[in-house]
Amino acid sequence: GAGVSQSPSNKVTEKGKDVELRCDPISGHTALYWYRQSLGQGLEFLIYFQGNSAPDKSGLPSDRFSAERTGGSVSTLTIQRTQQEDSAVYLCASSLVRQGSGGASDTQYFGPGTRLTVL
Amino acid sequence: SQKIEQNSEALNIQEGKTATLTCNYTNYSPAYLQWYRQDPGRGPVFLLLIRENEKEKRKERLKVTFDTTLKQSLFHITASQPADSATYLCALVDSSYKLIFGSGTRLLVRP
Repeated sequence: GAGVSQSPSNKVTEKGKDVELRCDPISGHTALYWYRQSLGQGLEFLIYFQGNSAPDKSGLPSDRFSAERTGGSVSTLTIQRTQQEDSAVYLCASSLVRQGSGGASDTQYFGPGTRLTVL
Repeated sequence: SQKIEQNSEALNIQEGKTATLTCNYTNYSPAYLQWYRQDPGRGPVFLLLIRENEKEKRKERLKVTFDTTLKQSLFHITASQPADSATYLCALVDSSYKLIFGSGTRLLVRP
C-alpha cells in the first residue's frame, strides 16, 4: 500500500488477556518503530527494528511486551496479560533508513494507530 | 534529567494571524529536530526538519528556527487558517538515534 497500515484500528480486551497488534510498513522501508501514546501525552518510544533485528528494545515497559518483525516487513507487537495501564494508542512508523542520518530518507511515516482499551 | 517540553495549553488564535509554538529541551544535544502535525485519531505527519547548524528553515507558510544556545525551537505558521488546527509535536534525535517527542501543543484557529 501507499502508507503504513495497522490493525486492528480498535481493540477492547479484558485485563489478563493477550493481544497482538500488527503493522504493515511502507514497502522497502528498512526501519520500523513502535510507539505508545497515552491520552494527552507525547509519543513514548517502545522498540526499533532494522530489518528483522531489534537493536533497541529499551522502551519496552515490561517483559509482558514483545515484538517481532519477519521478512523485513510486517511487525507484530504482543502484550501478554494486559493491564489497565496498557490502555493507549499504539503507533507504528517506518522509514527508508535508520533514524539518525538527518536527511529526508530517515523521515518517519506513521500509521493511524491501534487504540487499545483494557477493561 | 533530559526533557523536551512544549506548552500543554492550547493556542487559540484568529484566522490570518501568525501562530508561534515553542519547543524547549534540556540535557540533549540533538543533531536535528523535527516538527510533526497530528490530527485527532491519526498518526503524526512529518512537516519540517532543521539541523543544528541551521538557524531557520521555511516551507510554504511554515517556518522553524533552532537555537542550540537557548535549546529552543520555534515553529511559526503565517496567515493561519482553520485547517491548520491540529496538535503540533516537536521531536529530537537523541545520542542513540531515538526520536524523542514532546507532548505537543494544540493549535485552534478561529475563522
